[in-house]
Amino acid sequence: KAGVTQTPRYLIKTRGQQVTLSCSPISGHRSVSWYQQTPGQGLQFLFEYFSETQRNKGNFPGRFSGRQFSNSRSEMNVSTLELGDSALYLCASRRGTEETQYFGPGTRLLVL
Amino acid sequence: DQQVKQNSPSLSVQEGRISILNCDYTNSMFDYFLWYKKYPAEGPTFLISISSIKDKNEDGRFTVFLNKSAKHLSLHIVPSQPGDSAVYFCAAKTSGYSTLTFGKGTMLLVSP
Repeated sequence: KAGVTQTPRYLIKTRGQQVTLSCSPISGHRSVSWYQQTPGQGLQFLFEYFSETQRNKGNFPGRFSGRQFSNSRSEMNVSTLELGDSALYLCASRRGTEETQYFGPGTRLLVL
Repeated sequence: DQQVKQNSPSLSVQEGRISILNCDYTNSMFDYFLWYKKYPAEGPTFLISISSIKDKNEDGRFTVFLNKSAKHLSLHIVPSQPGDSAVYFCAAKTSGYSTLTFGKGTMLLVSP
């Protein structure tokens, strides 16, 4: 069974631009969560989507948003990029009834 | 306020010996705990988990121990292998909520 996939793997943007990241969960998994990893803050929860609805949201500004499609694929958008948004963005999926989340390889975003 | 703490940033162990990675938590609502292993530029890989109704869970070379009264868990790797060299993250969650709260990680180096 294929794992969680994320595209693109690497991205370079400049301040003020916006970016969209994509995540395809493991087949049969309906929950998708997004996390940000930075050297200073570690891994931090952004938000979770289940059946196209946002269920939980972390402590991030409104510039960070997401959505989920009917096939469970999810996108995350960051608008008006700041230097501090440079990070590894990780997507994780799980079946709705299980506790364990499985992570994708991440998208490395560099904001110049 | 860090709710999940991994107080050792790094650990060095010789091949064949036991590696013990520690994790402390402060939130009494956490009732499910997971360990992930992460290589640079990759997403975290799920290793093993434990529910608060247990105090031990084993999977091959990996054993997780949970001490609820001390709010402490540990991951034992026996025997350690050079391929185990990676960053290990402890994560905690509350059942019914998807949000994983991560520690900052411990870098394990297993030398031949």
